[in-house]
Amino acid sequence: GENVEQHPSTLSVQEGDSAVIKCTYSDSASNYFPWYKQELGKGPQLIIDIRSNVGEKKDQRIAVTLNKTAKHFSLHITETQPEDSAVYFCAASRDSSYKLIFGSGTRLLVRP
Amino acid sequence: NAGVTQTPKFRVLKTGQSMTLLCAQDMNHEYMYWYRQDPGMGLRLIHYSVGEGTTAKGEVPDGYNVSRLKKQNFLLGLESAAPSQTSVYFCASTYEMGLSETQYFGPGTRLLVL
Repeated sequence: GENVEQHPSTLSVQEGDSAVIKCTYSDSASNYFPWYKQELGKGPQLIIDIRSNVGEKKDQRIAVTLNKTAKHFSLHITETQPEDSAVYFCAASRDSSYKLIFGSGTRLLVRP
Repeated sequence: NAGVTQTPKFRVLKTGQSMTLLCAQDMNHEYMYWYRQDPGMGLRLIHYSVGEGTTAKGEVPDGYNVSRLKKQNFLLGLESAAPSQTSVYFCASTYEMGLSETQYFGPGTRLLVL
């Protein structure tokens, strides 16, 4: 089955700096890659996603890149702000699987 | 819309006791999921349902049972709780995988098994 590995497990950056979180997946048939943000005491919430027919997607300060050949995808957050502090999860799925497989999460701390 | 709600928010059980966690969604979603979240292990899928009356096993189904008698509700049961089931449990729902995969999560249920 699919396995998703996520790095780093914790990341501390200065406000205004960029943050990058990386994930690798094992199933070459995976074609959907979302990123979720989980704030303290809450459930995860989708922030951006990408499909395998696209190499990059941006939404304001957030971007996701996908390298299908290497089977890895990354989340990029620019101009980080304290409210970006949270746990971020990557995930992967493929058509007809009905389910997402999540990475182990990255705790991001943005220092004011 | 309330979205996805979970009951209860917190529960303490003794080993061997049973309980049911309730998940409800008001978005007319077909797919519903139960995950457990443990430190350093992310979200692991316990069971899921692709429609009313259907259920399927996820990554870590042992010790849990589920039922989807109504489209809007997905119940997770622990017949004989064990300390290894201490975790935070999240329910999620989505309209249909392959069309709109965004999963909407509930606020979680924190379970402590002594």
